[in-house]
Amino acid sequence: GEDVEQSLFLSVREGDSSVINCTYTDSSSTYLYWYKQEPGAGLQLLTYIFSNMDMKQDQRLTVLLNKKDKHLSLRIADTQTGDSAIYFCAESSGATNKLIFGTGTLLAVQP
Amino acid sequence: DAGVIQSPRHEVTEMGQEVTLRCKPISGHDYLFWYRQTMMRGLELLIYFNNNVPIDDSGMPEDRFSAKMPNASFSTLKIQPSEPRDSAVYFCASSPTPSGELFFGEGSRLTVL
Repeated sequence: GEDVEQSLFLSVREGDSSVINCTYTDSSSTYLYWYKQEPGAGLQLLTYIFSNMDMKQDQRLTVLLNKKDKHLSLRIADTQTGDSAIYFCAESSGATNKLIFGTGTLLAVQP
Repeated sequence: DAGVIQSPRHEVTEMGQEVTLRCKPISGHDYLFWYRQTMMRGLELLIYFNNNVPIDDSGMPEDRFSAKMPNASFSTLKIQPSEPRDSAVYFCASSPTPSGELFFGEGSRLTVL
């Protein structure tokens, strides 16, 4: 079945770059997504990438997709304390047309 | 638009009691989703509706859980009877498509004692 894996925790210093990694299993996924969850709030879409793209840049965010290895990453440049949150990757299942979320990565930004 | 609205934000109840969680989706969104978030299991899709009709309820844990969507602007998730293992944050989300951008509510934190 579909499965999306992420590392649980990442700690960086303010101003550094953060890289959050994700692996997925459904090779038929059309889109892959990154969501952000701040404390006490729901998830909010950050960015997404179409499966036929390798890279997408959106201001401080860079998404890299390695379709062969089924690996997705989110790079946040110049990480700020306001970036501290849980980040979820998600794939749209080709079989069920549902979003499958990863386990989430807690990003802690140290001042 | 005010976004997806959920109530209550917090609920503390005793084991065996009935719990009803409510959701108002964004107007015009045809898809509504109920998710449960726990530390152990992460984010789980419980059920989703399209045009008020339940499409996939395979994630509903057991018969104690039921969800309804009587109209396009309201949905409920009911747990009867509630158990301590049901303690979690329950999210409602809506979307114009089944697997595109989901718009989440702020969640209902349920504690069953």
